Amino acid sequence: EAQVTQNPRYLITVTGKKLTVTCSQNMNHEYMSWYRQDPGLGLRQIYYSMNVEVTDKGDVPEGYKVSRKEKRNFPLILESPSPNQTSLYFCASRGTQKGGYTFGSGTRLTVV
Amino acid sequence: GEDVEQSLFLSVREGDSSVINCTYTDSSSTYLYWYKQEPGAGLQLLTYIFSNMDMKQDQRLTVLLNKKDKHLSLRIADTQTGDSAIYFCAEGGAGNMLTFGGGTRLMVKP
Repeated sequence: EAQVTQNPRYLITVTGKKLTVTCSQNMNHEYMSWYRQDPGLGLRQIYYSMNVEVTDKGDVPEGYKVSRKEKRNFPLILESPSPNQTSLYFCASRGTQKGGYTFGSGTRLTVV
Repeated sequence: GEDVEQSLFLSVREGDSSVINCTYTDSSSTYLYWYKQEPGAGLQLLTYIFSNMDMKQDQRLTVLLNKKDKHLSLRIADTQTGDSAIYFCAEGGAGNMLTFGGGTRLMVKP
């Protein structure tokens, strides 16, 4: 089954403790992206990647890092999480432009 | 920068038609999308329209695009309780960026 898999689904952590949210897709898509969803703000893009070793900032990249060492994986790294990064995070991948993005099921992160 | 706006909330009765509206600002948008998000789930692509089209119909869904006014709408015919969800419009310009609206919560009353 074609899908984007994120882990974990839920995470509660403390301020300053580094964490990684993993994302993997099995569709051989070149484009991958991370979004955060906050009430009333819709989805905002954090980082995206056009291919292996090619990444770029989205609208809200501060406090986040990404890497794209392999085509299928695109982890999101929070080196020193803060409470304002409490949010619902989605990873997505895309093949052709008209196909739109395929989204993962989301990771709900709470930073206390 | 680009901006995509939607109304926050829409309530309809089961069997009626729903119309969800969206406005965008980026005139270079190539594709415009509608996504559906059910509670606790990710976003599911419902349909899309290429920017040189005026209308696209797909079963109960009709997308209308007024490129001059930068206005996009999604009509759901014979709305069912299972259509209750948040609907996002998104516009895709050159490259990889998708800009989403804030989402419209559709509530369908039996």
